[in-house]
Amino acid sequence: GNSVTQMEGPVTLSEEAFLTINCTYTATGYPSLFWYVQYPGEGLQLLLKATKADDKGSNKGFEATYRKETTSFHLEKGSVQVSDSAVYFCALRNTGKLIFGQGTTLQVKP
Amino acid sequence: GAVVSQHPSRVICKSGTSVKIECRSLDFQATTMFWYRQFPKQSLMLMATSNEGSKATYEQGVEKDKFLINHASLTLSTLTVTSAHPEDSSFYICSATGGQSSGNTIYFGEGSWLTVV
Repeated sequence: GNSVTQMEGPVTLSEEAFLTINCTYTATGYPSLFWYVQYPGEGLQLLLKATKADDKGSNKGFEATYRKETTSFHLEKGSVQVSDSAVYFCALRNTGKLIFGQGTTLQVKP
Repeated sequence: GAVVSQHPSRVICKSGTSVKIECRSLDFQATTMFWYRQFPKQSLMLMATSNEGSKATYEQGVEKDKFLINHASLTLSTLTVTSAHPEDSSFYICSATGGQSSGNTIYFGEGSWLTVV
């Protein structure tokens, strides 16, 4: 079946630190991969996506590369800001549906 | 700006009553809409998938008679929680896609907080 596993949070970083949030997936076929961000009390916003192996999605300084060989789609950012504090969800889409990981809370302290 | 809008954003209802949440696509025709439920500090649980003009497909374990989903037009889907109980209190999120016409992208609404008292 299809599933997504994310590293457990919360992840607490100081401003300007380097961020990595690990995400691995299990899927049949060739899924598209996504990162969504959820700010407190709000819905989900698409952060970035990649639709095939070796694609790199990027947005707002965040990046993730679709690695088929390791079935991973780790999220990275070189220098986080306090405003990046949110919950980040990794997701895959295979048969039309989005399957989400459990979410990782990021807390950035000034 | 938002391309998928939910209403109401917050609703409080009494136990035993029914409450309706609307999900509208603003910039595109949503051929498929999805309804999710999210418990505090947890991931999104897909409840059902609805295609315009046909019956919704519910995920295993979701009560069809309790969570009524209607997708009567290409811009509107509704979720009705019938005979609500306190355990139905949750954050409900809809998403929508127009398939290729929307770049195969799934857009999310802002979510609706339901509190049953």
